[in-house]
Amino acid sequence: QQQVKQSPQSLIVQKGGISIINCAYENTAFDYFPWYQQFPGKGPALLIAIRPDVSEKKEGRFTISFNKSAKQFSLHIMDSQPGDSATYFCAAHSGTYKYIFGTGTRLKVLA
Amino acid sequence: SQTIHQWPATLVQPVGSPLSLECTVEGTSNPNLYWYRQAAGRGLQLLFYSVGIGQISSEVPQNLSASRPQDRQFILSSKKLLLSDSGFYLCAWSVGPGSKTQYFGPGTRLLVL
Repeated sequence: QQQVKQSPQSLIVQKGGISIINCAYENTAFDYFPWYQQFPGKGPALLIAIRPDVSEKKEGRFTISFNKSAKQFSLHIMDSQPGDSATYFCAAHSGTYKYIFGTGTRLKVLA
Repeated sequence: SQTIHQWPATLVQPVGSPLSLECTVEGTSNPNLYWYRQAAGRGLQLLFYSVGIGQISSEVPQNLSASRPQDRQFILSSKKLLLSDSGFYLCAWSVGPGSKTQYFGPGTRLLVL
């Protein structure tokens, strides 16, 4: 119930294409869902986040879609660029002080 | 603005040696502090978190310990390192129970030989 399941494990997209990463959760007490971007050898950086009372949030080329009834949320990267090549993590805030992370998706955008 | 520091950036240690990794946060007061470990190509494993000075919660029983001697300082320690302690160690912070945003430091790469 405390898990966040992330898919796919890896993703290859052509430049200009749409990258889609999905996450699913079980615990309905989760109250905040961030996405992090991590480059090799660096710490994860907060990319975009959403609360469960919102169905979609967009920041530039990055969009989170949230389906509360299905307990799923996804990250869409529009017009994917080679500079977007990184590992992406979804996460869920468990209501107190803890964050549950997905296992990560390694994205490669081909030039 | 807030800044989080970790040192050292890279560390190579022999099996059985002690460990001390330090994390400090600037520009905020009474942050929640976290230690995570990330194995190569893997996700983030929460090791410890702290909501105040001297308050440490352990998530995974193991060879490591954590301490918070000052409000914005978080230390990860081990008395005797194991090969399995190798990994990328990340410190993170968030501000109080009302804020849900968590920010990560640059990380420390630890290799135990």
